[in-house]
Amino acid sequence: DTEVTQTPKHLVMGMTNKKSLKCEQHMGHRAMYWYKQKAKKPPELMFVYSYEKLSINESVPSRFSPECPNSSLLNLHLHALQPEDSALYLCASSARGLGNTIYFGEGSWLTVV
Amino acid sequence: DQQVKQNSPSLSVQEGRISILNCDYTNSMFDYFLWYKKYPAEGPTFLISISSIKDKNEDGRFTVFLNKSAKHLSLHIVPSQPGDSAVYFCAASEDYGQNFVFGPGTRLSVLP
Repeated sequence: DTEVTQTPKHLVMGMTNKKSLKCEQHMGHRAMYWYKQKAKKPPELMFVYSYEKLSINESVPSRFSPECPNSSLLNLHLHALQPEDSALYLCASSARGLGNTIYFGEGSWLTVV
Repeated sequence: DQQVKQNSPSLSVQEGRISILNCDYTNSMFDYFLWYKKYPAEGPTFLISISSIKDKNEDGRFTVFLNKSAKHLSLHIVPSQPGDSAVYFCAASEDYGQNFVFGPGTRLSVLP
């Protein structure tokens, strides 16, 4: 089973709302990622969690707040977003170690109005 | 400055023929490369990988070639099928798979 599950698939939120994106994997992977993808652009790395600790934060604005409650779950808390934050948010996971593939979820489409 | 480049935004190939998708990179520290396929409204799907200690990796209809001196890799799909029509992303990492940088993608259309 190489499945990464993301919810919700679609989210529309106002600029004053607080919402969360959720991601779950049961492959025993100890690295989990959030990527952002705008239309016709490649995925861009936002955060990496390794063994439930934040290891990479690619200078992401504080209105995006990641959380890794346990080794299977990864959340992305959203607050006071801007319309330009509208994008596809992709969660991914991989085993730790050399040469491991990252597996992506189907993504959460976020629209900020 | 793009570290991973896919200079062909799109490619059209006849069904049954070979599709060749190219990827160039600038960072000589990259040591692990992946190809992903992406359909609209879906997340990227892993296709095939190659590490810098190899120059070729094959999996069914998919073969990836790596030329380290030229900082170039290519994905060959043979024979191409209409279901292969998608956007293909090349991704590279300099730490064997922790922080991937994606290319801009190439849209492949396989014509029946």
